[in-house]
Amino acid sequence: NAGVTQTPKFQVLKTGQSMTLQCAQDMNHNSMYWYRQDPGMGLRLIYYSASEGTTDKGEVPNGYNVSRLNKREFSLRLESAAPSQTSVYFCASSAGQGETQYFGPGTRLLVL
Amino acid sequence: DAKTTQPPSMDCAEGRAANLPCNHSTISGNEYVYWYRQIHSQGPQYIIHGLKNNETNEMASLIITEDRKSSTLILPHATLRDTAVYYCIVRDRISYYMDTGRRALTFGSGTRLQVQP
Repeated sequence: NAGVTQTPKFQVLKTGQSMTLQCAQDMNHNSMYWYRQDPGMGLRLIYYSASEGTTDKGEVPNGYNVSRLNKREFSLRLESAAPSQTSVYFCASSAGQGETQYFGPGTRLLVL
Repeated sequence: DAKTTQPPSMDCAEGRAANLPCNHSTISGNEYVYWYRQIHSQGPQYIIHGLKNNETNEMASLIITEDRKSSTLILPHATLRDTAVYYCIVRDRISYYMDTGRRALTFGSGTRLQVQP
């Protein structure tokens, strides 16, 4: 039981490049989340998926898209990376809305 | 969600109990107390949560006062690997959030626990 896994662990991009961050959970959870964490800013919700087939914008969705591929997987795509998207990205999942959230190890992204 | 207040930092000797306090004087009846921690450069880790009664699991114990206005997280035998920032979060667990911003976990500044050898 791996919990929440994220790939890649680290990534360096040039401005304008695109990439997809992958997240998977093996806990049969319905809800999944993408957060970013910047120094001194705490966690900010980017996108949220209450259940398979649904996604909603969070606090800071601009510049990102998501796909809830199936119940296990929730990906985050940066279509045209900007230096302001340099951050640590965490995926989380929970059994349902409002339930305990479990986090992945994070992806460290540097946009030059 | 109710606001929480935690001391910014604490030290604890290895092998001793670490007692981390949290004040949540505006907590409402249907709000749970959650504790998470974040070890440097890692994802936040869920520790424990409770509503009214004291709770214990393999990681920690949670003591909630009778008036629910404060709580204490207890790590019974702290190790160097417990050095982390600990976050106390008060959250309505069951309600459906119309405001997407409230679906997020809100981590305050937490308590930086340093376990000393």
